[in-house]
Amino acid sequence: AQKVTQAQTEISVVEKEDVTLDCVYETRDTTYYLFWYKQPPSGELVFLIRRNSFDEQNEISGRYSWNFQKSTSSFNFTITASQVVDSAVYFCALSEAGGFKTIFGAGTRLFVKA
Amino acid sequence: DAGVTQSPTHLIKTRGQQVTLRCSPKSGHDTVSWYQQALGQGPQFIFQYYEEEERQRGNFPDRFSGHQFPNYSSELNVNALLLGDSALYLCASSPIGGSKNYEQYFGPGTRLTVT
Repeated sequence: AQKVTQAQTEISVVEKEDVTLDCVYETRDTTYYLFWYKQPPSGELVFLIRRNSFDEQNEISGRYSWNFQKSTSSFNFTITASQVVDSAVYFCALSEAGGFKTIFGAGTRLFVKA
Repeated sequence: DAGVTQSPTHLIKTRGQQVTLRCSPKSGHDTVSWYQQALGQGPQFIFQYYEEEERQRGNFPDRFSGHQFPNYSSELNVNALLLGDSALYLCASSPIGGSKNYEQYFGPGTRLTVT
């Protein structure tokens, strides 16, 4: 069965601090996709990144970086030099290749204080 | 290029009533999925429609039903509303029969409040 666990319910940091959001997943499939989404107060899910199971290269996009480790079934997300605008709920999600649904974690609410 | 659109934005209903939510997929997409997001939780998969048929269903009762039209737009119907149905309902579309589920785009959602 598929499962996504985001153990951190809420994280509070001060602006300019680095913060890492943890994500652990479970799947029996060998081919799958992992995602991170941001959900600001408006409610719309904003796509941040997609990773397929065969690509374990870490990725950096501006202040965002992602660490994918199949050995530990983790796909962690780091925001460097956080800003107030980063305050939102962040979801990690899993979709099996050829599957029809995406499984979401419970989300981590990030508060960045000025 | 319009993204996924949903209507209405907000809706207030009374227990026992029925509600219909609407979704238009992104241009070029033929598959629509619906998710329920209760307050403080992650989205939960309700079902997916492709070629006007329900292809897969999550763990939701039969009170939740849907429809897909020839133009790929979709409706989500919920009968006999319960207080627990209050949530943000998200629609997502993907191309090529959903085989590229990794190219799923989400709409802004419809916030349903049941009183």
